[in-house]
Amino acid sequence: AQRVTQPEKLLSVFKGAPVELKCNYSYSGSPELFWYVQYSRQRLQLLLRHISRESIKGFTADLNKGETSFHLKKPFAQEEDSAMYYCAVVAGGTSYGKLTFGQGTILTVHP
Amino acid sequence: NAGVTQTPKFRILKIGQSMTLQCTQDMNHNYMYWYRQDPGMGLKLIYYSVGAGITDKGEVPNGYNVSRSTTEDFPLRLELAAPSQTSVYFCASSYGDSHPYEQYFGPGTRLTVT
Repeated sequence: AQRVTQPEKLLSVFKGAPVELKCNYSYSGSPELFWYVQYSRQRLQLLLRHISRESIKGFTADLNKGETSFHLKKPFAQEEDSAMYYCAVVAGGTSYGKLTFGQGTILTVHP
Repeated sequence: NAGVTQTPKFRILKIGQSMTLQCTQDMNHNYMYWYRQDPGMGLKLIYYSVGAGITDKGEVPNGYNVSRSTTEDFPLRLELAAPSQTSVYFCASSYGDSHPYEQYFGPGTRLTVT
């Protein structure tokens, strides 16, 4: 069965430090991977997707098919990055966009 | 555009009561979803719909029912509330398979069953 694992429930860093949120997935075929973010008192929203290979708010994520990982990285964390981050997977093919989420990681960036 | 709206924001139910969580989107999206978010567990898919009149079960459908009579609305029905249904419920929508699966989420409904 498809599974997404985020091993850290909580992650704390200081402002300006690098941050890496880990995500591993167990999936056959050609899944698509996403990072969603929920800031305090805001809705869950898409941060980035692996097929776009884009950088959003300084965050990047590279899909490593060999290690089945999709870690989210930012070289210099900011206080406004504090939020809940979810890694999510959609199966390839006719999946109707159904997302499987990881357990989430709460990132706290201290001043 | 209001996007995805959900009502109510909060609700307390007694065991055995019924209620409907409302979800509406104004983006003309074909696909709609219901998730529940339990602490430390991430979001799990309850039901989804790919268009008016078409619904299907997700990962955790027991105790819930849905309908999709219009493109805009996708209500979630709890028939006999149980404490295990205490959770935060999120509705989401997306264009469909022709787009890269970005889902737009509502603000959530916090439900407590006592």
